[in-house]
This record gives sequence, C-alpha cells and structure tokens, in this order.
Amino acid sequence: KAGVTQTPRYLIKTRGQQVTLSCSPISGHRSVSWYQQTPGQGLQFLFEYFSETQRNKGNFPGRFSGRQFSNSRSEMNVSTLELGDSALYLCASSLERARGYGYTFGSGTRLTVV
Amino acid sequence: DQQVKQNSPSLSVQEGRISILNCDYTNSMFDYFLWYKKYPAEGPTFLISISSIKDKNEDGRFTVFLNKSAKHLSLHIVPSQPGDSAVYFCAARAFGNQFYFGTGTSLTVIP
Repeated sequence: KAGVTQTPRYLIKTRGQQVTLSCSPISGHRSVSWYQQTPGQGLQFLFEYFSETQRNKGNFPGRFSGRQFSNSRSEMNVSTLELGDSALYLCASSLERARGYGYTFGSGTRLTVV
Repeated sequence: DQQVKQNSPSLSVQEGRISILNCDYTNSMFDYFLWYKKYPAEGPTFLISISSIKDKNEDGRFTVFLNKSAKHLSLHIVPSQPGDSAVYFCAARAFGNQFYFGTGTSLTVIP
C-alpha cells in the first residue's frame, strides 16, 4: 500500500513569509502527527491530529498551526517564517492512537528559510 | 529541556560485532520506548519497542534493554551488518500519545 506522502519535498522561503506543508497518511490511518527535525534537537513534536481534532500539541509558538481534513489528510502552516524554522518537517500516521509501533513516517519536507 | 538524550552522536563498529546504542531519559512517567532507524532522505522507520513493564524485548538481531531504575535504554544489534549503517533515534511516549525523541546516533558498520 502507498506510504505517507509529504509535499513538497523541498521548499525555499524568505523570512516573514508563510508556508503550508501537506501530508497524506496511509489509507485508513486516522492519526497524523507532525515533527520538526533539526541537527541539534532531534525530532521535536509539533502536534497530533486524530479524526480532524488536534489531540496534542508540543512546545512551539502559535506561528505553527495545523489541521486535518475529513479524509485524514493534514496540513501544517508556519506563518512569519524565521531563519530558525529551517528544518526537516516529518509527518507520521498511524491507524489509531498507537503506542508508536504503528507510526509510519513520510520522507519529510525540507524547508529552508533565507 | 531534552527529556530523552542520546549522548553519543556517532558510533563505528566492525561488521559481525555487536553495536550498542544508548539512550537516557528523565521522565519516569514514560510508558513506552521505541527505536527508529533513519536513512538519508527518508523518514524514520520503526525498529523495535518495549513497554515500561518489561526489561527486555528481542526481535531477530535487535534487542532492546530497559533499566528503569537508571532511566536507561539500550539497543543491541548482533551481528552488525553494513546495511545497519543509519541514524538511530530512541523515543519515549508520554501520556496522550506524545513522543519525545533523542537527537540520534549515527551508526557506521565497517565491512
């Protein structure tokens, strides 16, 4: 079956702009989580959506937001981009609120802010 | 504050020998621990997990050990193979399905 699809793969934006990243989970998966990966910090949890509802949120400023649609596809938005937002953004889906072994990650979107 | 720490950024091991990757955590409320493997340009893939009520879980060449009193987790790979060369992340689950990841250890298995 198709894996988790993230688009676009690469993105270059200017400081102050906003960006929207997209994630299509595995068919049938209703839980989608987003992570930010940076070299020094590893994977930092952004938020989790389950059946269109945000169930959990990490310690990120309000500039980071997301949503989930009825077909379980999810988007995350970052407004007023800062240089420090440059990172790999990973989306993970699971069948339900799994304990982790049900997580399947996408290949990520590499965001560069200049 | 980093609740899950991997203090070794890199590790090199000869093919056929044992690879031991370590992870420390601070939150005693974590109830599930996992290891993920990541190749360049790919997302992490799940490798093995362990519940906090156990101290060992084995899956083929991979064994995870949990020492709750020391708040320490380790992954043993025996025997190591060149295809195991990747970045390994340990992760821990807190209440509400929120996962905390370490910063990763880059493993190189030398043929």
